[in-house]
Amino acid sequence: GAVVSQHPSWVICKSGTSVKIECRSLDFQATTMFWYRQFPKQSLMLMATSNEGSKATYEQGVEKDKFLINHASLTLSTLTVTSAHPEDSSFYICSAGPGLAGVFTDTQYFGPGTRLTVL
Amino acid sequence: EDQVTQSPEALRLQEGESSSLNCSYTVSGLRGLFWYRQDPGKGPEFLFTLYSAGEEKEKERLKATLTKKESFLHITAPKPEDSATYLCAVHMYAGNNRKLIWGLGTSLAVNP
Repeated sequence: GAVVSQHPSWVICKSGTSVKIECRSLDFQATTMFWYRQFPKQSLMLMATSNEGSKATYEQGVEKDKFLINHASLTLSTLTVTSAHPEDSSFYICSAGPGLAGVFTDTQYFGPGTRLTVL
Repeated sequence: EDQVTQSPEALRLQEGESSSLNCSYTVSGLRGLFWYRQDPGKGPEFLFTLYSAGEEKEKERLKATLTKKESFLHITAPKPEDSATYLCAVHMYAGNNRKLIWGLGTSLAVNP
C-alpha cells in the first residue's frame, strides 16, 4: 500500500518551453502532497506544499509563477515548470501520505522522481 | 536553529560488517523522526517512523532507535544490496505549521 507514482520519469526540453510533471497517489487519497527538488549528492529541498482544492504554499525563495502547482483531486497533483531554463534542470520528487483531511500526515511516501534536463 | 545532522557523510563496509548511522537533531516540538533509503536516481523509500525516546523498530537487517537528541540506524551483517543513501528527517511544529527538516544523508557502500 501507499504507492505514489510520477510521470514522466525523465524529460528533456528546450529552453523556454514548459514542462508538466504529474504526481499520483495510487491506493490512497491525499489531501496534501509535497514537491521537492534534489541536486546531485544533496538532500531534498522542499519547494511547495500542494493542498487539494486550494492554493499551494511555496517555500521561501521558490518562484510561484515559475513553478505552478495544481492539486486537482485527492489523487493528483501537477507541477508545471514554466519557461524552463538550464538552471531548472534537476530531479523533482513528490510525496504524499495517507491522512485525514486537513491533518498533516506523519509518514510521507515518495514518488520515483522526474529527471528534468533543459537544453 | 532547528537542524538535523547525519554522520558519517559516507561509510564503506565489508559484507557482514555491522555498523550504525547517526542522526542528531536540535528541534523544538518534535513530532516524529523518519528514516528513508534512497537509491541513485530514485525517490526515497520509507523505512521507519519513531515518535518517542526509547522507541525501537526493526526491519530485516535494519534497526532504528531514538533518544531525546538523536537516532541511530543499526545495520546488522549488511549485504551489498544495502548500499544506498540513508536519509533522516524530523517532523516538527513551527508555530501553526508543521514541517519536515532533512539531514544530508549517509552514503553507504557495502563491498562483497
